[in-house]
Amino acid sequence: DAKTTQPPSMDCAEGRAANLPCNHSTISGNEYVYWYRQIHSQGPQYIIHGLKNNETNEMASLIITEDRKSSTLILPHATLRDTAVYYCIAEDSGGYQKVTFGTGTKLQVIP
Amino acid sequence: NAGVTQTPKFRILKIGQSMTLQCAQDMNHNYMYWYRQDPGMGLKLIYYSVGAGITDKGEVPNGYNVSRSTTEDFPLRLELAAPSQTSVYFCASSYSLVQGDGNEQFFGPGTRLTVL
Repeated sequence: DAKTTQPPSMDCAEGRAANLPCNHSTISGNEYVYWYRQIHSQGPQYIIHGLKNNETNEMASLIITEDRKSSTLILPHATLRDTAVYYCIAEDSGGYQKVTFGTGTKLQVIP
Repeated sequence: NAGVTQTPKFRILKIGQSMTLQCAQDMNHNYMYWYRQDPGMGLKLIYYSVGAGITDKGEVPNGYNVSRSTTEDFPLRLELAAPSQTSVYFCASSYSLVQGDGNEQFFGPGTRLTVL
């Protein structure tokens, strides 16, 4: 699996869009980019994933660059409940899966 | 569906004691995982299973054992507890497809273990 790098922390004003970057320069052609978040000390929660096209669901949007070496998770209107640690991982789809969760980005949403 | 359940929620062990952390899922997922998370750190994979009767080591397997006799259950055994095993333990499951995507992992609420 490709290694990902994320900034350790970010702040975002409540109601604004939160843009969380992730670098995955060694990603291979069959590796998907997955995003999870962990609120306080709960179990991580799946947010969104994509291969090369931009994706959107009810929680967030995922923008993947054309060369697939980086991506951005967008929370369009951040709320205080979005304060969490966000993990970006590259996961090989199908067959054996063993992913590595790094230390992620601690997003603090400020009132 | 209850999703992924873990018991107990909290446990304090003395050095050298043993215990089993229970994990169950009712989503008919073939893959199951055990992670540990130390304070301020990311998750580290202990063991995983790709189906009943098949398990394999992850990044930090020493001091732990697992078994997978059914699709639903994936218990984690600590034989001789040590202070270094003080951590939060998360179980997860996913449905792996041979082709395509959608392999997101679903996590349980965690077990907080302290070894004194």
